[in-house]
Amino acid sequence: SQTIHQWPATLVQPVGSPLSLECTVEGTSNPNLYWYRQAAGRGLQLLFYSVGIGQISSEVPQNLSASRPQDRQFILSSKKLLLSDSGFYLCAWSVVETQYFGPGTRLLVL
Amino acid sequence: LAKTTQPISMDSYEGQEVNITCSHNNIATNDYITWYQQFPSQGPRFIIQGYKTKVTNEVASLFIPADRKSSTLSLPRVSLSDTAVYYCLVGDYGSVSGTYKYIFGTGTRLKVLA
Repeated sequence: SQTIHQWPATLVQPVGSPLSLECTVEGTSNPNLYWYRQAAGRGLQLLFYSVGIGQISSEVPQNLSASRPQDRQFILSSKKLLLSDSGFYLCAWSVVETQYFGPGTRLLVL
Repeated sequence: LAKTTQPISMDSYEGQEVNITCSHNNIATNDYITWYQQFPSQGPRFIIQGYKTKVTNEVASLFIPADRKSSTLSLPRVSLSDTAVYYCLVGDYGSVSGTYKYIFGTGTRLKVLA
């Protein structure tokens, strides 16, 4: 069966520091991968998606970036965090139309 | 991208059937309708998905009328543990992107009371 991992589960970072969140998927090949952000009490906002290694599409302009160095690995990064980057970050995978979500990373930027 | 409209919140009592209706007037021919459940500080969990008519699985039923402009998620005999936010999504398949993109609204906050 397929499993999706995200780490860390919780992260507290100072403003201006770099960020690296990692997501890996097991049990499937060539998945579509997604990064979402969820602000408190809000719905999920799609940030990036990838249909293959090295292929990244950005949905929202921001100071975040994403990379896909391996088939089942998706990384969300920032060179300098802003206060507004705080939120709940979720990685998801799909093969066709159904997306399956990871446990999420709670990021607090102070 | 197709958008959805659903009630902001609903209250129910344990053991009752709960129906949450979602409208998606601009649904496209290729779009599927998907429902997710989310508990606080957890990722959304897939509940059910359909294209037309009725779909049933071990946890819910999904009713979709012929015009597909709305859908109703039915949760039979809810319990306290069903208290969560429920999202109705319509997938937008991009022939260029080669993937489905979803717009998440604020969902429906279901509160199940004892």
